[in-house]
Amino acid sequence: QVQLVESGGGAVQPGRSLRLSCAASGFTFSSYAMHWVRQTPGKGLEWVALIWFDGTNEYYADSVKGRFIISRDNSKNTLYLQMNGLTAADTAVYYCARDPSATGIDAFDIWGQGTMVTVSS
Amino acid sequence: DIVMTQSPDSLPVSLGERATINCKSSQSVLYNSNNKNYLAWYQQKPGQPPKLLIYWASTREAGVPDRFSGSGSETDFTLTISSLQAEDVAVYYCLHYYRTPPYTFGQGTKLEI
Repeated sequence: QVQLVESGGGAVQPGRSLRLSCAASGFTFSSYAMHWVRQTPGKGLEWVALIWFDGTNEYYADSVKGRFIISRDNSKNTLYLQMNGLTAADTAVYYCARDPSATGIDAFDIWGQGTMVTVSS
Repeated sequence: DIVMTQSPDSLPVSLGERATINCKSSQSVLYNSNNKNYLAWYQQKPGQPPKLLIYWASTREAGVPDRFSGSGSETDFTLTISSLQAEDVAVYYCLHYYRTPPYTFGQGTKLEI
């Protein structure tokens, strides 16, 4: 069935880096734009980044621009989020989500279960 | 950036009653070229990811019960649950995905029995 599975979360010290992965299955990954969305503990949802189906365009929230990099490997059906210069404000559950369109102009229809990132000294 | 504001923050409702959640955007999310409102509604239960309920403001996602409906246009939108069931207790979010990022969610509305 259609599925997204995130991995790579964990505890990390401020200023360090972490790379999240999102493995897709059950659909033609290379045809869909993909997003990362995060949710801070007990709080709401924040859109983080978008990448087009072919990886040619990326967009970022201001809060992560210049620190995070979204990428994808369509041969491996995998989405990535490289997170650099982490701060406590980045502590959250990170979800990957599928966009039914190729260029990110539709509602996110499939979500992974999320991976927790904790930034603390 | 477009700001999405939901009301109320918390909504106590009895089983079988109607629940109405509002979402207001700081600018129109209606794209005149295709007459679509770039607005979605999500349901999130504890420990679970958000689940898509409604997209294009009023189109129900496959498998979503017909007691859920969405309405509105441009800047003002409503999610209605016609007859509340126990399994509908959750936090509900609106999301705009208008044209280009950044996309933003409302702050959420907690539906309580």
